[in-house]
Amino acid sequence: ELKVEQNPLFLSMQEGKNYTIYCNYSTTSDRLYWYRQDPGKSLESLFVLLSNGAVKQEGRLMASLDTKARLSTLHITAAVHDLSATYFCAVANTNAGKSTFGDGTTLTVKP
Amino acid sequence: EAGVTQFPSHSVIEKGQTVTLRCDPISGHDNLYWYRRVMGKEIKFLLHFVKESKQDESGMPNNRFLAERTGGTYSTLKVQPAELEDSGVYFCASSPIGQGMRAFFGQGTRLTVV
Repeated sequence: ELKVEQNPLFLSMQEGKNYTIYCNYSTTSDRLYWYRQDPGKSLESLFVLLSNGAVKQEGRLMASLDTKARLSTLHITAAVHDLSATYFCAVANTNAGKSTFGDGTTLTVKP
Repeated sequence: EAGVTQFPSHSVIEKGQTVTLRCDPISGHDNLYWYRRVMGKEIKFLLHFVKESKQDESGMPNNRFLAERTGGTYSTLKVQPAELEDSGVYFCASSPIGQGMRAFFGQGTRLTVV
């Protein structure tokens, strides 16, 4: 059974600081997703990572994938308050369709 | 372009009653997924439609849950009879066919069974 673990589950950081959220998964998978969810809103897709060594960046967020280590990271650079949200990673296999989610990391960025 | 829409946004029902949740996917998206998040835990897969066919329903918790997608457009998820442990947020997502295609999520239906 595929398991996905995120850490930390809660993260409070100051504006301007850098931090990394980690996502470990237990079995080989083809795709890894990062989502953002604001309270009461839908999950917004941030990144899709398909291959070993893939790195994608958008704004202050950068995601990477190491399929050998079964690890993805979401790096936050110079955090701003607008980044406060819950971030989920999810892993899927090509033929399965379904995604297995981590527990989510609730990020709070303080001034 | 309209996103994935879910109805209702909130539902409070008594134990033993029936509730039907609806999901309208993005037009043209053949993949439709149902997920739920219970008690702030992880988001768990329920089932996957490709057009009107159930591709994978391995996540459906028991036979009190029935999902349909008639005509391959919108989908409904019926819970009958509802139990207290069914409370949570039910998400629907859709995506086009193809590797690496992102799934687009609805805002969720918050179901409370009292």
